Amino acid sequence: GEDVEQSLFLSVREGDSSVINCTYTDSSSTYLYWYKQEPGAGLQLLTYIFSNMDMKQDQRLTVLLNKKDKHLSLRIADTQTGDSAIYFCAENAGGADGLTFGKGTHLIIQP
Amino acid sequence: GAVVSQHPSRVICKSGTSVKIECRSLDFQATTMFWYRQFPKQSLMLMATSNEGSKATYEQGVEKDKFLINHASLTLSTLTVTSAHPEDSSFYICSAGPGVREQFFGPGTRLTVL
Repeated sequence: GEDVEQSLFLSVREGDSSVINCTYTDSSSTYLYWYKQEPGAGLQLLTYIFSNMDMKQDQRLTVLLNKKDKHLSLRIADTQTGDSAIYFCAENAGGADGLTFGKGTHLIIQP
Repeated sequence: GAVVSQHPSRVICKSGTSVKIECRSLDFQATTMFWYRQFPKQSLMLMATSNEGSKATYEQGVEKDKFLINHASLTLSTLTVTSAHPEDSSFYICSAGPGVREQFFGPGTRLTVL
C-alpha cells in the first residue's frame, strides 16, 4: 500500500532555512503536496508539485522532488516564528482518490 | 484560494447521540469531497469519498452505517456520526477542490463524545 514518511520534529533558528523531508512509496504518485497546520486549525495548502517537475519555487518556499528516490523536500527560507506549525507531506495518485498523508513534521523555531 | 467551510467547529455530545457535520464549498462546485479523521498528534486518515448524487465510497475499516455521508448538492456534503461513542472523539476535516489536483481543507470539527 501507499506509505508517506516524515521526521516528526525539526528545530531551526529564526532566520535560518528549514528543510523538511518526505519519502513516499507509491511510484504512481502524480501530485505531491505540502500542507501547513497551525495549532487547533485545519490544513492550509502551501504548494504542490506535479511528478514530472523536479523543482518549484514560490516566494520563500522551494519544493524539490527526486522521483527516482521518491524523495520530496520543502525548504523555507528565512524561517520566521509564524512558520511554527506542523507540515504535512501528502501524495495523490491522480484521479478522484483522496490524499495519503505523512504523520507531519513539527517545525520548532528557536529565537 | 478556494474556501471550504465546516460547521460546527466544535461539538460536545452525549454517548449514543448522533452528530451531523457540514462541509461546504463556498466559491466553487465540487462533485467530490473527502472526509478525513485526525487523532491527537497523528496524521489525517482518509475516511471516505463523498460523491454528489451517488453513494459515498468508504475506506477499508470505516463503517458506513456508523459514518453516514450525504452529498446532496455540488456545494454541500454532510457527515453524520451515528450513535456516537467516546472512541469517536476526534478532529474531522473535509476537503474539496475545483479539481482533483487542488484540495482545500475545511477548518475541521472537533467532536468530543462524553
